[in-house]
Amino acid sequence: SQQGEEDPQALSIQEGENATMNCSYKTSINNLQWYRQNSGRGLVHLILIRSNEREKHSGRLRVTLDTSKKSSSLLITASRAADTASYFCATVKTSYDKVIFGPGTSLSVIP
Amino acid sequence: NAGVTQTPKFRVLKTGQSMTLLCAQDMNHEYMYWYRQDPGMGLRLIHYSVGEGTTAKGEVPDGYNVSRLKKQNFLLGLESAAPSQTSVYFCASSYDRLGIQYFGAGTRLSVL
Repeated sequence: SQQGEEDPQALSIQEGENATMNCSYKTSINNLQWYRQNSGRGLVHLILIRSNEREKHSGRLRVTLDTSKKSSSLLITASRAADTASYFCATVKTSYDKVIFGPGTSLSVIP
Repeated sequence: NAGVTQTPKFRVLKTGQSMTLLCAQDMNHEYMYWYRQDPGMGLRLIHYSVGEGTTAKGEVPDGYNVSRLKKQNFLLGLESAAPSQTSVYFCASSYDRLGIQYFGAGTRLSVL
């Protein structure tokens, strides 16, 4: 089974609304990363949050991490049509040397 | 700034044919990775390398081989392509083992 899984699988919102995506994982982690993938392109790193951190911000992005619940959320505020993309969480297990990607959330922002 | 460059971008193969995908990075990263992306399955690690001359198996290595003769290049080979290898292949590199990965634009491969 996958280490990290995003929820929901697909999300459709109006421009200007906030978008929230969640990621759950099963074992303890070293860090958790969020990536964006535009259609037909490679993944682009958004934010890395370490296991001893609870929240990080980057522009309109806010990531939270709750290690007790083994979950993370990505919030995109005031969404734009250009935010339409797939978003992946990637977890790095403690004492594990690989990054495991979840299946992703497909976000559509309607102008 | 090129970052990670993959060639080719598209390829169609017949079952049984062979091919090599090339990945080049100009960031002097030690770590390089090959993934495949299939609908609904996210990215699955095929092989990776922790430095020049090293390779290791990932989650789905069967049917693929890799080589890292130069630090900046990581090659993925399919010796005898099968329809199950139809996928989008991504190369990535990173400075450290657990950190941020930088991705190429991908190679769309169809095996008929």
